[in-house]
Amino acid sequence: KAGVTQTPRYLIKTRGQQVTLSCSPISGHRSVSWYQQTPGQGLQFLFEYFSETQRNKGNFPGRFSGRQFSNSRSEMNVSTLELGDSALYLCASSELRGQGKTQYFGPGTRLLVL
Amino acid sequence: GQQVMQIPQYQHVQEGEDFTTYCNSSTTLSNIQWYKQRPGGHPVFLIQLVKSGEVKKQKRLTFQFGEAKKNSSLHITATQTTDVGTYFCAGGFSSNTGKLIFGQGTTLQVKP
Repeated sequence: KAGVTQTPRYLIKTRGQQVTLSCSPISGHRSVSWYQQTPGQGLQFLFEYFSETQRNKGNFPGRFSGRQFSNSRSEMNVSTLELGDSALYLCASSELRGQGKTQYFGPGTRLLVL
Repeated sequence: GQQVMQIPQYQHVQEGEDFTTYCNSSTTLSNIQWYKQRPGGHPVFLIQLVKSGEVKKQKRLTFQFGEAKKNSSLHITATQTTDVGTYFCAGGFSSNTGKLIFGQGTTLQVKP
């Protein structure tokens, strides 16, 4: 099976702009989670989607939003970009939700905000 | 709140030496998972532990989950240069969600 794919892989934006990142999970996987990785804060949970519904949300401002489509593909959006939003955004998919479900990470989208 | 602390932050070892990284949670975990991230790469799943006191081995890697399900460790025997990378533990706090709280990671450097 193909792994988790994320597009674009690299992105440069300026402050105030908005950005949309895309994630295609492994075929058959219905759960998608998003994480932000920065050198200072490490890997932080953004949100989890299952069956097109947001099931869990991390401690991020409302500028961060996401959605999941009927084919399990997911997008996340960041509006009014700030310098501190520069990070590696990782998407992870798993077959189901819940305890002990292995999450498979994509290669990430590296966002640089200038 | 839910926190997972991981130590040490960095570890430099000579090839052939052993290496251990430790994770500790403020509250009881539902499960713990371990990931490895190579420089420039993304986290790659290594293993998950669910049961209290569970011990699992993968070749030179030994993973343990504490009796109270609040701590875990990863031990690598006789490190090799291919072991270089950052090792993360990630705690799951509920059986109803896939949300993981990651430790800060331990970056392992191996000198040949």
